[in-house]
Amino acid sequence: KNQVEQSPQSLIILEGKNCTLQCNYTVSPFSNLRWYKQDTGRGPVSLTIMTFSENTKSNGRYTATLDADTKQSSLHITASQLSDSASYICVVTDSNYQLIWGAGTKLIIKP
Amino acid sequence: EAGVTQFPSHSVIEKGQTVTLRCDPISGHDNLYWYRRVMGKEIKFLLHFVKESKQDESGMPNNRFLAERTGGTYSTLKVQPAELEDSGVYFCASSQGGSGTPLFYNEQFFGPGTRLTVL
Repeated sequence: KNQVEQSPQSLIILEGKNCTLQCNYTVSPFSNLRWYKQDTGRGPVSLTIMTFSENTKSNGRYTATLDADTKQSSLHITASQLSDSASYICVVTDSNYQLIWGAGTKLIIKP
Repeated sequence: EAGVTQFPSHSVIEKGQTVTLRCDPISGHDNLYWYRRVMGKEIKFLLHFVKESKQDESGMPNNRFLAERTGGTYSTLKVQPAELEDSGVYFCASSQGGSGTPLFYNEQFFGPGTRLTVL
C-alpha cells in the first residue's frame, strides 16, 4: 500500500533555531515529492517539488532533500521565524499523478 | 489575481441532512480537484475534473457524494444524506492545463477549505 509517513508528529522550537522534518514513503513508482506548508484555517501552499533525480531543492529558508534510494526526504528550516508556525505536509505523486499525502508535522515556533 | 475560493467556510448540519459545498477555481484553470481531511488523518483525494468532465473519481467514498462542474467553471460537492463520518475539512484545488496535459509539475493551488461538522 502506498504510504507517506512523517516525523515528528509535532515539534516546538525557539525562534531563530533551525529544525529538520522527516518524511519516509513507500509510493513506488513515484513521479515527484512535494512539501507543503499549511497555516491554520488555510489551504496547503507548495514550498518545494523534486523529481527522483533531484536530491536538494531550496526555497528561501526552506531546503528539501530527497534520497530516492532509501525513499526518504527531509525539510530543513533555517533561522525559524514566528510565521513558520504551521503544519508541514510531505506529498508524493504516484505514477497516476495522484497525490499521496502524509499526516503532516505541526511546527510551533516560540518567541 | 484571485485565488481558489470555497463557500461556506464552515457548515454544521445534522445527520441525514443535505449540504452543498462550492468551489471557485482560479480563472482559466481547467483542472479542479476535491480533497478531504478527516480529523487526525491525512488529506485524501476525492476526485478530479478536467473542465466539466470527471477525469478521476476513484476517491469518492460512496454514492452519497455528488460532484458537478457545469460549464467547467465552479464546482459543487453535495453530500446527501450526510453521516457523522463525513465530518472533516473539504479542500478544493485547481491547476492549469487540460485533458492530456501531463500533470507532472502541474502545481495545484488550494482553497481555504470548508469545515463540515455533522452532528
